[in-house]
Amino acid sequence: SAVISQKPSRDICQRGTSLTIQCQVDSQVTMMFWYRQQPGQSLTLIATANQGSEATYESGFVIDKFPISRPNLTFSTLTVSNMSPEDSSIYLCSGTSGRDYEQYFGPGTRLTVT
Amino acid sequence: AQSVSQHNHHVILSEAASLELGCNYSYGGTVNLFWYVQYPGQHLQLLLKYFSGDPLVKGIKGFEAEFIKSKFSFNLRKPSVQWSDTAEYFCAVRPNNDMRFGAGTRLTVKP
Repeated sequence: SAVISQKPSRDICQRGTSLTIQCQVDSQVTMMFWYRQQPGQSLTLIATANQGSEATYESGFVIDKFPISRPNLTFSTLTVSNMSPEDSSIYLCSGTSGRDYEQYFGPGTRLTVT
Repeated sequence: AQSVSQHNHHVILSEAASLELGCNYSYGGTVNLFWYVQYPGQHLQLLLKYFSGDPLVKGIKGFEAEFIKSKFSFNLRKPSVQWSDTAEYFCAVRPNNDMRFGAGTRLTVKP
């Protein structure tokens, strides 16, 4: 199975600042995604991270607020910009294995904005 | 809008009761279907998945699900629940390459 790691695992940030979350996957993963899970809610897809090009964002999410990079196959970052308390969530990195088409999830980054 | 619907928001059962959680989707064409479980304070764990073949899928911990294409449904079942099954259950559909989740069903099993 694919292994996905994220860091930081959690952070407490002040309003107006930005946080960059890193996601590292092993070589089995081809496609990468970023999800948000707000407290007591389900997972919402933020965007598909495309290697070497701009991410594909879902309705309601914009690049200025959630810039995403994927410089190579195994690494991606999500930045939460100009944070507000409403951004307090768990942010999850996910990848699809190119071998068994399984979808794997990272452990998540728990973000609290004060 | 295309969606994944889980109609039961909170289900409360006694131990040994049978469980069925509903999941319907509105995506056309070929889809991959999943059920995930999230225990309190933990991250997602895959229970089972359907890609093709036998529409009755068996997963871990005694769970199974049946894909009924004509009804666009993928209901999760377990014949006898345990207190340790208390968790949040998410149905997910992958119509293309990206996975879409239902709102989740919270299951509480009383000992």
